[in-house]
Amino acid sequence: EVQLVQSGAEVKKPGESLKISCKGSGYSFTSYWIGWVRQMPGKGLEWMGIIYPGDSDTRYSPSFQGQVTISADKSISTAYLQWSSLKASDTAMYYCARRDTVVKNDAFDIWGQGTMVTVSS
Amino acid sequence: DIQMTQSPSSLSASVGDRVTITCQASQDISNYLNWYQQKPGKAPKLLIYDASNLETGVPSRFSGSGSGTDFTFTISSLHPEDIATYYCQQTTFGPGTKVDIK
Repeated sequence: EVQLVQSGAEVKKPGESLKISCKGSGYSFTSYWIGWVRQMPGKGLEWMGIIYPGDSDTRYSPSFQGQVTISADKSISTAYLQWSSLKASDTAMYYCARRDTVVKNDAFDIWGQGTMVTVSS
Repeated sequence: DIQMTQSPSSLSASVGDRVTITCQASQDISNYLNWYQQKPGKAPKLLIYDASNLETGVPSRFSGSGSGTDFTFTISSLHPEDIATYYCQQTTFGPGTKVDIK
């Protein structure tokens, strides 16, 4: 079964660092881009950025450039989203998703279950 | 950046009704348009890609059309389990349309 499994919910304080993960299985992890999508409480979906685990080519939305870092370790089929200094406004659900660039013209066809990040003092 | 708009932002319809949502891109995106369904507390799910192609396993009551800047998503006969928020996406996502039962 093709799936993405994300790490568990996190509760952090402002200023702390955090790295959440997304592990792919059931497909060739290095052959598909992985994207990250933010959903703030009660709000819509925001495209944050993507990474190609095969060569770590990374693209960011201008809104998130410099705010987060996307990385991947292809040896363990895992992508990451990290913050160096969290803010209360980073409180949100974060989804990873597989991007199909071959058949489905960049659609996100497989999604992780989401990781809830809560930042509060 | 390409901006996506959707209308309406929400709608109420009866079971069996035909439901239509529109999505407009700020510039020509050919057929590079996807539609997702998100049920409360769940991850989004791909329904339609390339504007009109139904994802495997998605019921045929869902359909999409359009090209260029104007796109339409249709549920031909609303089922109770279709209660969700629907998003269009090129790279950026549209703001979403919340669908519920009247």
